[in-house]
Amino acid sequence: GENVEQHPSTLSVQEGDSAVIKCTYSDSASNYFPWYKQELGKGPQLIIDIRSNVGEKKDQRIAVTLNKTAKHFSLHITETQPEDSAVYFCAAMADSSASKIIFGSGTRLSIRP
Amino acid sequence: DTGVSQNPRHKITKRGQNVTFRCDPISEHNRLYWYRQTLGQGPEFLTYFQNEAQLEKSRLLSDRFSAERPKGSFSTLEIQRTEQGDSAMYLCASSVQGAGTEAFFGQGTRLTVV
Repeated sequence: GENVEQHPSTLSVQEGDSAVIKCTYSDSASNYFPWYKQELGKGPQLIIDIRSNVGEKKDQRIAVTLNKTAKHFSLHITETQPEDSAVYFCAAMADSSASKIIFGSGTRLSIRP
Repeated sequence: DTGVSQNPRHKITKRGQNVTFRCDPISEHNRLYWYRQTLGQGPEFLTYFQNEAQLEKSRLLSDRFSAERPKGSFSTLEIQRTEQGDSAMYLCASSVQGAGTEAFFGQGTRLTVV
């Protein structure tokens, strides 16, 4: 089955700097890669996603890149702000008729003022 | 509120008791997922419904766990004879098959077994 690995587990950056979180996946059938942000006591919230027919996607200060050959995908947050502090999860999914989302172990991002 | 709704938000129970959680997905979402999350970990898949059919169950879902989605709308997750190791956040998510696979999560039910 699918296995998603995520690094680093914790990340501290100065406000205004960029943050990068990296993930790898094992199942070549995976073709959908969402990223979730989870704040304390809340459920995960989808912030951006990318499909396997696209190499990069950007939404304001957030961007995701995907390398299908290497089975790597990354989240980039630029101009970080205090409200970016949270736990971020990458995930992978094969959009077949019966499939589940497999999550990475999470990255706790802290933004230093 | 048109998001995924989970009830209760918190549940404290004594070991050995049965508990039941409810999830109301986003209207017209035919996929419904249950996940379990322990502190410092990512959500772990438990089970998945397409309409009323339970299509997949994780090995994490022991015989003490049962999930239903009788009319293809809301779902319940029951844990019988709770153990301390069942303490976790139980998350529900829903999505629409085919129209993108974005899954939207509820706020979760935090279970504490004492």
